[in-house]
Amino acid sequence: NAGVMQNPRHLVRRRGQEARLRCSPMKGHSHVYWYRQLPEEGLKFMVYLQKENIIDESGMPKERFSAEFPKEGPSILRIQQVVRGDSAAYFCASSPTRATNYGYTFGSGTRLTVV
Amino acid sequence: AQKVTQAQTEISVVEKEDVTLDCVYETRDTTYYLFWYKQPPSGELVFLIRRNSFDEQNEISGRYSWNFQKSTSSFNFTITASQVVDSAVYFCALSEGSYGGSQGNLIFGKGTKLSVKP
Repeated sequence: NAGVMQNPRHLVRRRGQEARLRCSPMKGHSHVYWYRQLPEEGLKFMVYLQKENIIDESGMPKERFSAEFPKEGPSILRIQQVVRGDSAAYFCASSPTRATNYGYTFGSGTRLTVV
Repeated sequence: AQKVTQAQTEISVVEKEDVTLDCVYETRDTTYYLFWYKQPPSGELVFLIRRNSFDEQNEISGRYSWNFQKSTSSFNFTITASQVVDSAVYFCALSEGSYGGSQGNLIFGKGTKLSVKP
């Protein structure tokens, strides 16, 4: 499967635990974007990364959330001390270049449930 | 500020009916890109179409067609002879073409849930 791979597909965490969401971009893609889909709110941009760099994190909550895209391995979205309001679907997308005018391909998402 | 409005929250039709999903956008840029994505019940996001602001030609792909009108800032999506498999949430999105600021950011509408009944 040459698409954007996200895992796990479903993740359940208790309040206060950490959640780690992984995203492997399409082969040859070095630009990764994370979006969050809260109920009734549609998709919202969170962060845009290139290998080893955060380009734009204007949509990231100020606390508890962090993202990385190391030189080797997948991009990781990390949520510390999860709360019920973090329950959402988190989507990753990748593209070969910086410009979004080409559109990009989304992964199947990770559904996070905080209990 | 950029904004995408999908005024129809839910639409229900009977199979074989035609249905149009509305999308209205706001942007200050003269160069921008518009997208439609489909989210079936399984949850993944499926890319349907990309259109740049300089190309106002309507597009048809099988039973799908798109009507882009800059004069009304609209990019509407029509499904002809709808089928049960078309049942999904459809999202319209906007990306601005400037090379400064938060390039890489799609602004999504809240989506329209389409239910096609047999």
